[in-house]
Amino acid sequence: SYELTQPPSVSVSPGQTASITCSGDKLGDKYACWYQQKPGQSPVLVIYQDTKRPSGIPERFSGSNSGNTATLTISGTQAMDEADYYCQAWDSSTVAFGGGTKLTVL
Amino acid sequence: EVQLLESGGGLVQPGGSLRLSCAASGFTFSSYAMSWVRQAPGKGLEWVSANSGSGGSTYYADSVKGRFTISRDNSKSTLYLQMNSLRAEDTAVYYCAKGQGTTVIYYMDVWGKGTTVTVSS
Repeated sequence: SYELTQPPSVSVSPGQTASITCSGDKLGDKYACWYQQKPGQSPVLVIYQDTKRPSGIPERFSGSNSGNTATLTISGTQAMDEADYYCQAWDSSTVAFGGGTKLTVL
Repeated sequence: EVQLLESGGGLVQPGGSLRLSCAASGFTFSSYAMSWVRQAPGKGLEWVSANSGSGGSTYYADSVKGRFTISRDNSKSTLYLQMNSLRAEDTAVYYCAKGQGTTVIYYMDVWGKGTTVTVSS
């Protein structure tokens, strides 16, 4: 099965830029997407097809994907961005999720 | 408004069975692949299963293959997950999610609120 690896945690100060990575074999050859999940809530799609933002997602969320690494970047991070973030890709007729990254804004 | 509403969760003994349902509304159900994703208490997201818009193609995680069966009734806009031979490690919140296309799931753009399955004696 396809494996995606994320750092367990990332910390950022309010107003700064947070970067969360997702690594997988030749991930850049696939589409990567990102979900945000806050405690007690369902996941919300924040980036799809590597770089696209769904309607309603703030412009401070951006994504990239090249080589073996996809990156979610949050510019001007706000307290409301504190959440768990998961990357996901489709490979060999299966969905793969990363283990998740807890973003702390402090 | 696009909505997904899961039901059917509950407490079941190890080795038992349960069928989850996901009622969809606000979009042409048969045009989209659908998926089940679960989250064990305090853990990350784990993909369980998916099927194509027609239901003709089905996909499973290794952890549930041979025990779970995904199906759909496009006339009722409803997705199902039949879970047999349940184990303690199947305990989780089960989410229904809509894929972006008909046959593959590059991303899931709509999620339900989830239904809780607890496997315990």
